[in-house]
Amino acid sequence: GAGVSQTPSNKVTEKGKYVELRCDPISGHTALYWYRQSLGQGPEFLIYFQGTGAADDSGLPNDRFFAVRPEGSVSTLKIQRTERGDSAVYLCASSPTGDGTDTQYFGPGTRLTVL
Amino acid sequence: AQSVTQLGSHVSVSEGALVLLRCNYSSSVPPYLFWYVQYPNQGLQLLLKYTTGATLVKGINGFEAEFKKSETSFHLTKPSAHMSDAAEYFCAVSERTGRRALTFGSGTRLQVQP
Repeated sequence: GAGVSQTPSNKVTEKGKYVELRCDPISGHTALYWYRQSLGQGPEFLIYFQGTGAADDSGLPNDRFFAVRPEGSVSTLKIQRTERGDSAVYLCASSPTGDGTDTQYFGPGTRLTVL
Repeated sequence: AQSVTQLGSHVSVSEGALVLLRCNYSSSVPPYLFWYVQYPNQGLQLLLKYTTGATLVKGINGFEAEFKKSETSFHLTKPSAHMSDAAEYFCAVSERTGRRALTFGSGTRLQVQP
């Protein structure tokens, strides 16, 4: 079946602009995660959804970052007033139940470059 | 806060040699433990995980890992490296209670020399 998909695959924007990154999880997965991976680093947690609600948003770096999952499926990560330090690969993952033992299935990521 | 340490950002082995990638976690309560692999221009893929039961876990592509509570370790091994094993490997943990998200190590890039 289809895996996790993310669009766009690449996004180049200018400092101060607004961007939206989209994630389509595996059908039926109730849990959805966003991570950010900087060059040479492991992924860092941003936010976790259980269904439509954000169960844990403690990884969001500041209030310029926001994410939604209005129907419990597709999620959008929104970044306002982008800064050069926001440049990274943004990864989305989904899992069947959100239990800690779940395997998280990752998408290919969106590479964001802020000029 | 939970942390994961992967010793060696780069590891180089010869084809056919033993692969050993090290991972240590910080918490006093053993977490759930995962190894993911990232091939060039591809997404993260689960190699194996330990949640409960037998401490030696076998995964895909001939990899295995052993959970050692006394050493707070979960090292990844493969008896004989293949050229196709060249990739970035990440150790990750999730908490048994509390945070469901993964905490990743900084990764180890494995090179396999012919």
